[in-house]
Amino acid sequence: KAGVTQTPRYLIKTRGQQVTLSCSPISGHRSVSWYQQTPGQGLQFLFEYFSETQRNKGNFPGRFSGRQFSNSRSEMNVSTLELGDSALYLCASGREVGEHGYTFGSGTRLTVV
Amino acid sequence: AQTVTQSQPEMSVQEAETVTLSCTYDTSESDYYLFWYKQPPSRQMILVIRQEAYKQQNATENRFSVNFQKAAKSFSLKISDSQLGDAAMYFCAYRRRAGGTSYGKLTFGQGTILTVHP
Repeated sequence: KAGVTQTPRYLIKTRGQQVTLSCSPISGHRSVSWYQQTPGQGLQFLFEYFSETQRNKGNFPGRFSGRQFSNSRSEMNVSTLELGDSALYLCASGREVGEHGYTFGSGTRLTVV
Repeated sequence: AQTVTQSQPEMSVQEAETVTLSCTYDTSESDYYLFWYKQPPSRQMILVIRQEAYKQQNATENRFSVNFQKAAKSFSLKISDSQLGDAAMYFCAYRRRAGGTSYGKLTFGQGTILTVHP
């Protein structure tokens, strides 16, 4: 079966711009969570969605937001980009909230210049 | 808050040999999951092995096994008969098992880069 699909793979944006990243979970999975990976901070949890509702949120500023659609696809948005937002953004899907067998996508590499 | 610590930034092993990656964690919870994930250069995080805290038996998946010491809050990964394809960044991760608003969240360690020499 198809895995978790994240688009785009790479993205370059300018400071102050906004960006939207997309994640399509495995068919049948209703939980989608997002992580930010940087060399300095490592992997940090952004948020988790289940059935179009945000269930968990990490310690990120309000510039980071997300949503989930009825088909379980999820998007995350970062407004007013800062240089420090440059990172690999990973999405993971699971059947239920707290599903122990999360499957990750290959991520979107965002570079802010 | 839970924390996960991997004290070995880098490890190396000869092909066919055995290597152990260390992980310690801190939590006040009694019911949780622990994981080892592998991240090759392709960037995708791949689940290697999972351990439920309520199970005393150490998890095993083919060449991968863990040494879970709940009282010591230690969770090491042993890779036997190392292969070139095992070269990757390995992350230890923690998740609450159930309940509460944060239980879907994975808390990761800083990672260990594993190099496999032919």
